[in-house]
Amino acid sequence: QKEVEQNSGPLSVPEGAIASLNCTYSDRGSQSFFWYRQYSGKSPELIMSIYSNGDKEDGRFTAQLNKASQYVSLLIRDSQPSDSATYLCAVNEENTGFQKLVFGTGTRLLVSP
Amino acid sequence: GAVVSQHPSWVICKSGTSVKIECRSLDFQATTMFWYRQFPKQSLMLMATSNEGSKATYEQGVEKDKFLINHASLTLSTLTVTSAHPEDSSFYICTVLAESSYEQYFGPGTRLTVT
Repeated sequence: QKEVEQNSGPLSVPEGAIASLNCTYSDRGSQSFFWYRQYSGKSPELIMSIYSNGDKEDGRFTAQLNKASQYVSLLIRDSQPSDSATYLCAVNEENTGFQKLVFGTGTRLLVSP
Repeated sequence: GAVVSQHPSWVICKSGTSVKIECRSLDFQATTMFWYRQFPKQSLMLMATSNEGSKATYEQGVEKDKFLINHASLTLSTLTVTSAHPEDSSFYICTVLAESSYEQYFGPGTRLTVT
């Protein structure tokens, strides 16, 4: 059973701070890694994809991948109250042709004004 | 990313009736779509993989005769919950797969309440 582990939180940060969200995965064959944001009562929204080791930046978001350690993280700079949501880490499964995603249970982020 | 719609956004039905949920890929031809279910404060649960022109592949424990999936075109997949019961009340969400990037784009979801 492939697994994706996330701390459920809540992770509380003050407005303007950096929020750091972490995720570990068990499938060494995984090739693609995704971060989704889910607001309460809404469906998830894709915010970042990362495929290679290292950092990938998009606006206030930076995804970091370390395949050797089977670790992926998301940094949110200058956190805003509107960033308060649950962040889901997802990893694709090698044995499904990389089509299916395995989701973590999500980390709830609270950004206080 | 792809734009995905679902209809209806919410539905209330009586126990024993059937409900059809549509998932449309508005700007993208989707060979593969996925159907998920999410109970309150729980994680996403993959129900099935919907492949255009062929039978859906169901996850272990998901009753294929209860959750009928049809993917008749590259832009439309439907999920029919047959003989619905209160325990089927949930948030049903579809995704489309972008095969070049392996990204999945979510529809807005359908909230089903069975009374």
